[in-house]
Amino acid sequence: QLVLTQSPSASASLGASVKLTCTLSSGHSSYAIAWHQQQPEKGPRYLMKLNSDGSHSKGDGIPDRFSGSSSGAERYLTISSLQSEDEADYYCQTWGTGRVFGGGTKLTVL
Amino acid sequence: EVQLVESGGGLVQPGGSLRLSCAASGFTFSSYAMSWVRQAPGKGLEWVSAISGSGGSTYYADSVKGRFTISRDNSKNTLYLQMNSLRAEDTAVYYCAKDSESYGFMDVWGKGTTVTVSS
Repeated sequence: QLVLTQSPSASASLGASVKLTCTLSSGHSSYAIAWHQQQPEKGPRYLMKLNSDGSHSKGDGIPDRFSGSSSGAERYLTISSLQSEDEADYYCQTWGTGRVFGGGTKLTVL
Repeated sequence: EVQLVESGGGLVQPGGSLRLSCAASGFTFSSYAMSWVRQAPGKGLEWVSAISGSGGSTYYADSVKGRFTISRDNSKNTLYLQMNSLRAEDTAVYYCAKDSESYGFMDVWGKGTTVTVSS
């Protein structure tokens, strides 16, 4: 079964960097994923599609501070030079027989 | 500008029905698969249903299969979700989303419409 696993929470200081992780279930390590951001009280926003080889394509207007990388079954979202507006929930997403979301990571900017 | 605008949400009693709409603009609607995704209060995103660009293929989450029907009218650039036999656990904000050039990955989201199922 295709499952995406994310840590429920993460925190980092203003101006620092943070790396969020999304883990694909066994047998699905070649799958691409997408990262989406949801700021408080807003709808989701597409950040990027991330392939298994670490190549990624970002959505329109997504700052260079956001980047993606991959290692095995893990997909990462790195946010550098953290700003207050980066405090949000981050979801990974992929598809198999249907679309699948991870449980989301709540990022707190200290 | 690519835009998705949902409508049709509201308060409905358990067992009732509701039809959501999503008006699309700024892109060739018929060329892209579309999805509905929901978010219950305080919870994460849950994919509900998807439909191919032509409308010929539809897909559903197990939680709504047999109760919800996704459809689209490409002449009106509009996506629909017919929701029947509604339950309290269907209470959520419902978002429509457009697939990117890469099938299965959503790159544009609407702002959502709220559905509340309660007596």
